Amino acid sequence: EAQVTQNPRYLITVTGKKLTVTCSQNMNHEYMSWYRQDPGLGLRQIYYSMNVEVTDKGDVPEGYKVSRKEKRNFPLILESPSPNQTSLYFCASSPLVVAGGPTDTQYFGPGTRLTVL
Amino acid sequence: AQSVTQLGSHVSVSEGALVLLRCNYSSSVPPYLFWYVQYPNQGLQLLLKYTTGATLVKGINGFEAEFKKSETSFHLTKPSAHMSDAAEYFCAVTYTSGTYKYIFGTGTRLKVLA
Repeated sequence: EAQVTQNPRYLITVTGKKLTVTCSQNMNHEYMSWYRQDPGLGLRQIYYSMNVEVTDKGDVPEGYKVSRKEKRNFPLILESPSPNQTSLYFCASSPLVVAGGPTDTQYFGPGTRLTVL
Repeated sequence: AQSVTQLGSHVSVSEGALVLLRCNYSSSVPPYLFWYVQYPNQGLQLLLKYTTGATLVKGINGFEAEFKKSETSFHLTKPSAHMSDAAEYFCAVTYTSGTYKYIFGTGTRLKVLA
């Protein structure tokens, strides 16, 4: 089954304790992305990756890190989480419309609800 | 700056009435436009998209949207609302050059009244 998986689905942690949220896709998509969803703010893009070893900042990258060492995986790292990073996080992947071109439909994972105390 | 604006964070319609959810974008290059739906406690799924070609696009569950370049709009419509349409709807845009960001609007929560 074609899918995007995220782990964990729920996480409660404390300020300053490093954490990683994993994301994996089995559709051979070039583009992968992380979003956070907050009430009234919609989805805001944190980081995206056009391909292996190619990543770039979205609109809200502060406090987050990513890496893309393999095409299928795109982990999100919070080195020192703070309460303002409490949110619902979505990973997504998509093919490119043309090679090196714009992205197409995003396929979303089920989400990770993070609470930072 | 490139952006997406959804007018109305909450919209209520009666069952059987027309659904109209508004989306405007700003762009200096041709956009690709998308509507996604999010049901409670779920991820987002694609309703429909415009990339090139016909400006009136049809999606799943009877929804359609029309790309109007002159108005920089991509409004979502459905002739007759059903109770199962109650969800949050997001307009999104990506661009054919300059950036590979994917930009979402703030969402419109649709309530369908019996």
